[in-house]
Amino acid sequence: ETGVTQTPRHLVMGMTNKKSLKCEQHLGHNAMYWYKQSAKKPLELMFVYSLEERVENNSVPSRFSPECPNSSHLFLHLHTLQPEDSALYLCASSQPGQGNSPLHFGNGTRLTVT
Amino acid sequence: AQSVAQPEDQVNVAEGNPLTVKCTYSVSGNPYLFWYVQYPNRGLQFLLKYITGDNLVKGSYGFEAEFNKSQTSFHLKKPSALVSDSALYFCAVRDMEGGYQKVTFGTGTKLQVIP
Repeated sequence: ETGVTQTPRHLVMGMTNKKSLKCEQHLGHNAMYWYKQSAKKPLELMFVYSLEERVENNSVPSRFSPECPNSSHLFLHLHTLQPEDSALYLCASSQPGQGNSPLHFGNGTRLTVT
Repeated sequence: AQSVAQPEDQVNVAEGNPLTVKCTYSVSGNPYLFWYVQYPNRGLQFLLKYITGDNLVKGSYGFEAEFNKSQTSFHLKKPSALVSDSALYFCAVRDMEGGYQKVTFGTGTKLQVIP
């Protein structure tokens, strides 16, 4: 149990589908993150929410749409994706104000776009 | 802008031998450095961090890292490797921006411990 739970673990979707990734953290953290992990590339920070407010959006295409309804839950809504979007999507959380605290990651959702 | 480099895609070491996974960094201020490990089909797990103080930092599972300011390096080490240490290792540097962590990760180094 990592304290950060992501569902589903695996997702296969067509380019015209709409799906959502879910992340839930039980650590009492106030910041949540979406990262994209592709083979042979550094982890890419996609979005950051701090106190439920989006504070970072790293030029992510609009086909990815995040939602943070409260400090414990984070969603990534997906629509009209491209095959190059296939990757492992990782959610993480941290406690702002505690500068030494590490990121806590979920186990990720392995997304395959066909 | 901060950056991290992991020059080796893969490191192979025999079980029982010492291991080193290399990392160099570039930051404008004081470095806040981390190592994470990723096992297959899992997320990243925190191993250890350097914020300030002793240059030798001890972490989980017997790992340690040596901070070298003059060489801007933060190499991960373990005196005696285990087969179970085989995983993907990420070095990271952190900047605090607006109260949240802006973390830059390296490309990762795959550690293979050979029985």
